[in-house]
Amino acid sequence: NAGVTQTPKFRVLKTGQSMTLLCAQDMNHEYMYWYRQDPGMGLRLIHYSVGEGTTAKGEVPDGYNVSRLKKQNFLLGLESAAPSQTSVYFCASSSTGQPAYGYTFGSGTRLTVV
Amino acid sequence: RKEVEQDPGPFNVPEGATVAFNCTYSNSASQSFFWYRQDCRKEPKLLMSVYSSGNEDGRFTAQLNRASQYISLLIRDSKLSDSATYLCVVNRASSASKIIFGSGTRLSIRP
Repeated sequence: NAGVTQTPKFRVLKTGQSMTLLCAQDMNHEYMYWYRQDPGMGLRLIHYSVGEGTTAKGEVPDGYNVSRLKKQNFLLGLESAAPSQTSVYFCASSSTGQPAYGYTFGSGTRLTVV
Repeated sequence: RKEVEQDPGPFNVPEGATVAFNCTYSNSASQSFFWYRQDCRKEPKLLMSVYSSGNEDGRFTAQLNRASQYISLLIRDSKLSDSATYLCVVNRASSASKIIFGSGTRLSIRP
């Protein structure tokens, strides 16, 4: 029972480099989300998707792009990494878009931009 | 002012104690409420929903006060395994982008 799998788990980037974080879920969920978590800030929504081929901006979308070409995958891209993007990134999925049934989170990606 | 505010703690209590913490929200239109638990360096997991009439799940009791705009979590007979950060989650509307996570209250249970 894989649930939500995020890769990579850790990464160190230099300022200006690019990378893609991959989120894969095997629960046939329609909704997928990318959050970042910083100390004292709580989880903040970067982008989300309500189905294959759709994406939408969340609270802090600047500097990130996303794609949902397949229902099970949600990719988060950083085109030109900045130190302010040092954070822990969590992907989540849900069947209804409502947290009442619980978001299933991946185990996180710890990204450091130097 | 943050839309969802929690006392960051840490709350440090002995095993077997009862501990309670609150979460306040500023948007009176908020529709639904939840508590999530997050262990150190792990992902958040749903602990329980919060219903208007209050609800219990074993040693955990959640309550909602719409008039004062806060929700609370009470843990009775605390266990060492309850040590974690507890996140308050508020759903402002029927939209995925309207779900707000609090920054969490850290709880540490000592033997």
